[in-house]
Amino acid sequence: QSVLTQPPSASATPGQRVTISCSGSSSNIGSNFVHWYQQLPGTAPKLLIYSNSQRPSGVPDRFSGSKSGTSASLAIGGLQSEDEAYYYCASWDDNLNGPVFGGGTKLTVL
Amino acid sequence: QVQLQESGPGLVKPSQTLSLTCAVSGVSINSGSYYWSWIRQPAGKGLESIGRIYTSGTTNYKPSLRSRVTLALDTSKNQFSLKLASVTAADTAVYYCARVNMVRGVLGSYYFDHWGQGILVTVSS
Repeated sequence: QSVLTQPPSASATPGQRVTISCSGSSSNIGSNFVHWYQQLPGTAPKLLIYSNSQRPSGVPDRFSGSKSGTSASLAIGGLQSEDEAYYYCASWDDNLNGPVFGGGTKLTVL
Repeated sequence: QVQLQESGPGLVKPSQTLSLTCAVSGVSINSGSYYWSWIRQPAGKGLESIGRIYTSGTTNYKPSLRSRVTLALDTSKNQFSLKLASVTAADTAVYYCARVNMVRGVLGSYYFDHWGQGILVTVSS
């Protein structure tokens, strides 16, 4: 059982926009930053968004993140077939004194 | 650029100790305000943070694993290690090492900016 809650799956067609949600509590998302990781099949997770909405160098601006209260979301615009992957949200939890993850959302590009 | 590479046995017998090493290149592990961390992922499941070690050697472990886990730095080889004792089948997973970054050193901004490729460790007799 993951501390952060994500939908297990999402899907959209190429070119569309898709949003993935992440829900937490006051001890994690509500008081700390949210980060997103992309895990392509058979590979290690890769940092996609950090500090709620910042993109590391090399990440296309099609990817964007936002946070409101105890929830966050990742939006992917202009969906491409290579975006098919698992997406994980993460945050720091003050009660657990450590990072926590969502269970992951499998994005399918139809 | 920063690169991390895990190494170690891919098969460990139950009740024995799992030992992995993470070789770091492109940055010195005792420079800057970074933590170095291990994360694992059982097949078909999500990510679980195991623990972290600071450049000073200070460690912090996930409570449910604390009694079995030891992280250590080897600055002479620019690498850090994970030891997990008394393993069972439940410890079978892909193990990743990663660098932790934080905005202005604030734990609440803790995120993993560089990851190793991962190593599959199977616990079986």
